[in-house]
Amino acid sequence: DAKTTQPNSMESNEEEPVHLPCNHSTISGTDYIHWYRQLPSQGPEYVIHGLTSNVNNRMASLAIAEDRKSSTLILHRATLRDAAVYYCILSSGNTGKLIFGQGTTLQVKP
Amino acid sequence: DTGVSQDPRHKITKRGQNVTFRCDPISEHNRLYWYRQTLGQGPEFLTYFQNEAQLEKSRLLSDRFSAERPKGSFSTLEIQRTEQGDSAMYLCASSLQQMANEKLFFGSGTQLSVL
Repeated sequence: DAKTTQPNSMESNEEEPVHLPCNHSTISGTDYIHWYRQLPSQGPEYVIHGLTSNVNNRMASLAIAEDRKSSTLILHRATLRDAAVYYCILSSGNTGKLIFGQGTTLQVKP
Repeated sequence: DTGVSQDPRHKITKRGQNVTFRCDPISEHNRLYWYRQTLGQGPEFLTYFQNEAQLEKSRLLSDRFSAERPKGSFSTLEIQRTEQGDSAMYLCASSLQQMANEKLFFGSGTQLSVL
Protein backbone atom coordinates (compact mmCIF):
# COMPACT_ATOMS: atom_id res chain seq x y z
CA ASP A 1 0.00 0.00 0.00
CA ALA A 2 1.30 3.42 -0.97
CA LYS A 3 2.44 5.58 1.92
CA THR A 4 1.25 9.03 2.92
CA THR A 5 3.06 11.66 4.99
CA GLN A 6 1.21 14.14 7.19
CA PRO A 7 2.31 16.62 9.84
CA ASN A 8 1.85 15.25 13.35
CA SER A 9 -0.18 18.22 14.54
CA MET A 10 -1.67 21.52 13.48
CA GLU A 11 -3.48 24.35 15.22
CA SER A 12 -6.24 26.57 13.98
CA ASN A 13 -8.43 29.33 15.31
CA GLU A 14 -12.15 28.86 15.40
CA GLU A 15 -14.03 30.07 12.32
CA GLU A 16 -10.85 30.30 10.26
CA PRO A 17 -10.04 28.02 7.30
CA VAL A 18 -7.74 25.06 7.85
CA HIS A 19 -5.54 23.47 5.23
CA LEU A 20 -4.34 19.97 6.14
CA PRO A 21 -1.57 18.75 3.82
CA CYS A 22 -0.76 15.21 2.74
CA ASN A 23 2.15 13.99 0.63
CA HIS A 24 1.85 10.77 -1.35
CA SER A 25 4.71 10.80 -3.82
CA THR A 26 4.44 7.05 -4.60
CA ILE A 27 0.76 7.19 -5.52
CA SER A 28 -0.24 4.93 -8.39
CA GLY A 29 -2.66 5.74 -11.16
CA THR A 30 -5.47 3.70 -9.62
CA ASP A 31 -5.10 5.00 -6.05
CA TYR A 32 -7.89 7.14 -4.68
CA ILE A 33 -7.14 9.66 -1.94
CA HIS A 34 -9.37 9.26 1.10
CA TRP A 35 -9.68 11.41 4.20
CA TYR A 36 -11.16 10.16 7.44
CA ARG A 37 -11.21 11.84 10.81
CA GLN A 38 -11.46 10.48 14.31
CA LEU A 39 -13.04 12.47 17.09
CA PRO A 40 -12.07 11.64 20.69
CA SER A 41 -13.52 8.34 21.92
CA GLN A 42 -15.12 7.56 18.55
CA GLY A 43 -14.34 5.45 15.53
CA PRO A 44 -13.05 7.13 12.37
CA GLU A 45 -15.58 8.76 10.07
CA TYR A 46 -15.44 9.38 6.35
CA VAL A 47 -14.75 12.95 5.28
CA ILE A 48 -14.08 13.01 1.54
CA HIS A 49 -12.27 11.23 -1.27
CA GLY A 50 -11.07 11.93 -4.79
CA LEU A 51 -8.98 10.65 -7.70
CA THR A 52 -7.78 13.55 -9.84
CA SER A 53 -10.21 16.44 -9.66
CA ASN A 54 -10.87 18.67 -6.69
CA VAL A 55 -13.91 17.59 -4.69
CA ASN A 56 -16.34 19.43 -2.45
CA ASN A 57 -18.92 18.14 -0.02
CA ARG A 58 -20.78 19.50 2.97
CA MET A 59 -17.91 18.69 5.32
CA ALA A 60 -14.84 19.79 3.42
CA SER A 61 -13.02 20.30 0.14
CA LEU A 62 -10.20 18.20 -1.28
CA ALA A 63 -7.60 19.86 -3.46
CA ILE A 64 -5.43 17.43 -5.43
CA ALA A 65 -2.17 18.52 -7.03
CA GLU A 66 -1.91 18.14 -10.77
CA ASP A 67 0.79 15.45 -10.44
CA ARG A 68 -1.28 13.80 -7.67
CA LYS A 69 1.74 13.57 -5.40
CA SER A 70 0.09 15.71 -2.76
CA SER A 71 -3.33 16.80 -1.63
CA THR A 72 -4.88 19.21 0.85
CA LEU A 73 -8.00 18.81 2.95
CA ILE A 74 -9.69 22.16 3.42
CA LEU A 75 -12.07 22.90 6.27
CA HIS A 76 -13.60 26.23 5.32
CA ARG A 77 -14.53 27.41 8.80
CA ALA A 78 -13.11 25.38 11.63
CA THR A 79 -15.31 24.82 14.66
CA LEU A 80 -14.39 23.36 18.02
CA ARG A 81 -16.11 20.15 16.93
CA ASP A 82 -13.58 19.76 14.13
CA ALA A 83 -10.82 19.04 16.64
CA ALA A 84 -9.82 15.49 15.71
CA VAL A 85 -7.15 13.30 14.16
CA TYR A 86 -7.31 13.55 10.36
CA TYR A 87 -6.06 10.62 8.30
CA CYS A 88 -5.04 10.78 4.64
CA ILE A 89 -5.18 7.29 3.09
CA LEU A 90 -4.57 5.87 -0.36
CA SER A 91 -6.69 3.02 -1.57
CA SER A 92 -6.94 1.23 -4.89
CA GLY A 93 -10.46 0.26 -4.01
CA ASN A 94 -10.26 -3.48 -4.68
CA THR A 95 -11.00 -4.58 -1.14
CA GLY A 96 -12.17 -1.44 0.60
CA LYS A 97 -9.45 -2.05 3.18
CA LEU A 98 -7.85 1.14 4.51
CA ILE A 99 -4.35 1.33 5.93
CA PHE A 100 -4.14 4.17 8.44
CA GLY A 101 -1.00 6.14 9.29
CA GLN A 102 -0.50 8.40 12.30
CA GLY A 103 -2.63 11.21 10.96
CA THR A 104 -2.62 14.90 11.86
CA THR A 105 -4.02 15.98 15.21
CA LEU A 106 -5.92 19.21 14.66
CA GLN A 107 -6.44 21.54 17.60
CA VAL A 108 -9.00 24.32 17.23
CA LYS A 109 -8.66 27.26 19.56
CA PRO A 110 -11.64 29.43 20.48
CA ASP B 1 -29.50 3.62 9.16
CA THR B 2 -28.66 2.78 12.75
CA GLY B 3 -24.93 2.71 12.16
CA VAL B 4 -22.37 0.10 13.17
CA SER B 5 -22.94 -1.21 16.66
CA GLN B 6 -20.30 -2.80 18.86
CA ASP B 7 -20.77 -4.60 22.14
CA PRO B 8 -19.54 -4.26 24.80
CA ARG B 9 -18.15 -0.71 24.85
CA HIS B 10 -15.68 -1.61 27.57
CA LYS B 11 -14.24 -4.91 28.74
CA ILE B 12 -11.86 -5.50 31.63
CA THR B 13 -10.40 -8.95 31.94
CA LYS B 14 -7.59 -10.77 33.64
CA ARG B 15 -4.61 -12.08 31.76
CA GLY B 16 -5.26 -15.57 30.44
CA GLN B 17 -9.03 -15.20 30.11
CA ASN B 18 -10.91 -15.41 26.84
CA VAL B 19 -12.97 -12.49 25.57
CA THR B 20 -15.45 -12.11 22.72
CA PHE B 21 -16.63 -8.92 21.05
CA ARG B 22 -19.62 -8.49 18.78
CA CYS B 23 -20.14 -6.19 15.82
CA ASP B 24 -23.44 -5.51 14.09
CA PRO B 25 -22.82 -3.82 10.74
CA ILE B 26 -25.15 -1.58 8.77
CA SER B 27 -27.78 -4.01 7.47
CA GLU B 28 -27.19 -3.90 3.73
CA HIS B 29 -23.39 -3.85 3.97
CA ASN B 30 -21.70 -7.01 2.74
CA ARG B 31 -18.16 -6.21 3.91
CA LEU B 32 -17.03 -6.10 7.51
CA TYR B 33 -13.63 -5.14 8.89
CA TRP B 34 -11.89 -5.44 12.25
CA TYR B 35 -9.19 -3.01 13.34
CA ARG B 36 -7.17 -2.56 16.51
CA GLN B 37 -6.03 0.80 17.83
CA THR B 38 -3.62 1.59 20.64
CA LEU B 39 -3.21 4.97 22.25
CA GLY B 40 -1.67 7.57 19.94
CA GLN B 41 -1.63 5.28 16.92
CA GLY B 42 -3.86 4.99 13.89
CA PRO B 43 -6.12 1.94 13.57
CA GLU B 44 -4.35 -1.25 12.43
CA PHE B 45 -6.13 -3.59 10.04
CA LEU B 46 -6.78 -7.07 11.42
CA THR B 47 -9.15 -8.87 9.07
CA TYR B 48 -12.11 -8.46 6.76
CA PHE B 49 -15.09 -10.43 5.54
CA GLN B 50 -17.07 -10.29 2.37
CA ASN B 51 -20.43 -11.77 3.28
CA GLU B 52 -19.52 -14.81 5.41
CA ALA B 53 -16.09 -15.40 3.84
CA GLN B 54 -13.00 -14.19 5.65
CA LEU B 55 -10.91 -12.93 2.75
CA GLU B 56 -7.87 -11.42 4.41
CA LYS B 57 -6.08 -11.68 7.74
CA SER B 58 -3.25 -9.47 8.89
CA ARG B 59 -0.04 -10.94 10.25
CA LEU B 60 -1.01 -9.06 13.41
CA LEU B 61 -3.78 -11.59 13.92
CA SER B 62 -2.05 -14.27 15.96
CA ASP B 63 -3.52 -17.74 16.41
CA ARG B 64 -5.10 -16.56 19.66
CA PHE B 65 -7.42 -14.35 17.63
CA SER B 66 -10.35 -15.68 15.66
CA ALA B 67 -13.12 -13.86 13.86
CA GLU B 68 -16.34 -15.18 12.43
CA ARG B 69 -19.26 -13.88 10.46
CA PRO B 70 -21.46 -16.96 10.31
CA LYS B 71 -24.43 -15.70 8.33
CA GLY B 72 -22.88 -12.71 6.65
CA SER B 73 -24.48 -10.35 9.12
CA PHE B 74 -22.99 -9.78 12.61
CA SER B 75 -19.42 -10.72 13.41
CA THR B 76 -17.56 -11.82 16.51
CA LEU B 77 -13.91 -11.39 17.39
CA GLU B 78 -12.56 -13.74 20.05
CA ILE B 79 -9.24 -13.43 21.82
CA GLN B 80 -8.09 -16.51 23.70
CA ARG B 81 -5.62 -16.46 26.60
CA THR B 82 -5.49 -12.67 26.66
CA GLU B 83 -2.18 -10.92 27.27
CA GLN B 84 -1.54 -7.40 28.53
CA GLY B 85 -0.37 -6.44 25.05
CA ASP B 86 -3.88 -7.13 23.77
CA SER B 87 -5.13 -4.05 25.61
CA ALA B 88 -6.45 -1.75 22.90
CA MET B 89 -9.55 -0.37 21.24
CA TYR B 90 -11.07 -2.89 18.84
CA LEU B 91 -12.94 -1.20 16.02
CA CYS B 92 -15.38 -2.71 13.58
CA ALA B 93 -16.34 -1.15 10.26
CA SER B 94 -18.69 -2.12 7.47
CA SER B 95 -19.11 -1.13 3.85
CA LEU B 96 -21.10 -1.89 0.74
CA GLN B 97 -18.88 -3.39 -1.93
CA GLN B 98 -18.50 -1.07 -4.89
CA MET B 99 -16.28 -1.01 -7.96
CA ALA B 100 -14.32 1.86 -6.48
CA ASN B 101 -14.27 3.84 -3.35
CA GLU B 102 -16.26 2.25 -0.75
CA LYS B 103 -16.87 4.30 2.33
CA LEU B 104 -16.17 2.52 5.57
CA PHE B 105 -18.51 3.18 8.46
CA PHE B 106 -16.96 2.57 11.85
CA GLY B 107 -18.47 1.70 15.18
CA SER B 108 -17.41 3.36 18.42
CA GLY B 109 -15.24 0.41 19.35
CA THR B 110 -14.73 -1.94 22.28
CA GLN B 111 -12.05 -0.82 24.73
CA LEU B 112 -10.25 -3.87 26.14
CA SER B 113 -8.14 -3.67 29.26
CA VAL B 114 -6.17 -6.77 30.25
CA LEU B 115 -4.96 -6.69 33.84
